[in-house]
Amino acid sequence: KAGVTQTPRYLIKTRGQQVTLSCSPISGHRSVSWYQQTPGQGLQFLFEYFSETQRNKGNFPGRFSGRQFSNSRSEMNVSTLELGDSALYLCASSITLNYGYTFGSGTRLTVV
Amino acid sequence: GENVEQHPSTLSVQEGDSAVIKCTYSDSASNYFPWYKQELGKGPQLIIDIRSNVGEKKDQRIAVTLNKTAKHFSLHITETQPEDSAVYFCAASRTSGAAGNKLTFGGGTRVLVKP
Repeated sequence: KAGVTQTPRYLIKTRGQQVTLSCSPISGHRSVSWYQQTPGQGLQFLFEYFSETQRNKGNFPGRFSGRQFSNSRSEMNVSTLELGDSALYLCASSITLNYGYTFGSGTRLTVV
Repeated sequence: GENVEQHPSTLSVQEGDSAVIKCTYSDSASNYFPWYKQELGKGPQLIIDIRSNVGEKKDQRIAVTLNKTAKHFSLHITETQPEDSAVYFCAASRTSGAAGNKLTFGGGTRVLVKP
């Protein structure tokens, strides 16, 4: 079966712009989480959604937001991009809240 | 909040030898401990996980042990092969009903298996 699909794979944006990343979970998975991966900070939790509701939020500024749609697909948005937002953004899905996550291949965001 | 420490940061082993990666966690309420393998250009792949009601779990050449009292867990890879070369991450979370499953990751271990 298809895995977690993230689009686009690569993105280059300019400081001050905003960006929207998309994630399609594995069919039947209702929980979606987002993580940021950087060489300096490692893998850090952004937020988790289940049944269109945000269940958890990490320690990121309000410029980072997300949502989940009724078909479980999710988007995350970063406004007023900063150079430090350059990272690999990973989406992960799970059947429900307390099961193991399957990660997508990520979206590599570069802010210039 | 939870803090996960992972050691070593790099590990070089000869093909056929064993590799051991160790993690410690700070939150005694954590009850779910997955291990992920990440290859270049890919997202982390879940390779094995263990819950706090189990002390050890094995899947072919991979095993994980958990010591709740000491708050540490370890990944053991036996008979290593070149395709085991990757970055491995441990993680911990407190899964609890509607609270969800927020994973706190260790810093990663880069494993190199030399043929």
